[in-house]
Amino acid sequence: RKEVEQDPGPFNVPEGATVAFNCTYSNSASQSFFWYRQDCRKEPKLLMSVYSSGNEDGRFTAQLNRASQYISLLIRDSKLSDSATYLCVVNDPLSGAGSYQLTFGKGTKLSVIP
Amino acid sequence: NAGVTQTPKFRVLKTGQSMTLLCAQDMNHEYMYWYRQDPGMGLRLIHYSVGEGTTAKGEVPDGYNVSRLKKQNFLLGLESAAPSQTSVYFCASTFPLPTEWTNTGELFFGEGSRLTVL
Repeated sequence: RKEVEQDPGPFNVPEGATVAFNCTYSNSASQSFFWYRQDCRKEPKLLMSVYSSGNEDGRFTAQLNRASQYISLLIRDSKLSDSATYLCVVNDPLSGAGSYQLTFGKGTKLSVIP
Repeated sequence: NAGVTQTPKFRVLKTGQSMTLLCAQDMNHEYMYWYRQDPGMGLRLIHYSVGEGTTAKGEVPDGYNVSRLKKQNFLLGLESAAPSQTSVYFCASTFPLPTEWTNTGELFFGEGSRLTVL
């Protein structure tokens, strides 16, 4: 069974803090990686893709280490609006040409405190 | 833009009743998925479809059936509901990734359907 493991948290941090989330995945054949954000009682939405070279989007930085099968998300200068659950997501190929599925971690809950 | 629409959004069933959840997308996506989300369990794939007329089992398919008769619709059926099927159900859709890996991977989710089985 393919696994995506995350620290469930919760992470309670003050506004302006830097917080990092980690994720490990078990399937070495996994091909691409993402962070999704899910607000309370809402649907998940894509936050950012994770590239091998690392990538940054404003206050958010994602890193991938294929050798260690490890993904991270760094949030700098935390805002109250960053409070949500962050889901680590891995794309796993399925049998059948071109087919794949996204495997979700259980999520890490972040609460940013005033 | 409608995107992915799920109906109904809320439903209470008695054990043994049947029901169908409807997912409709207007983005011409090939791939569609049904997930369930339970506290502490994360999102788990029930069934998926890679195109009209095709369906396949995911991680937790037991007790559910699906159909994809039209490209834009993906139906999830519960033939005989059980309390263990109390959950939030999410439908999602996406294009298949191209062979040159552009690494988008964005799933578009519906707002969820909250099902309680008593």
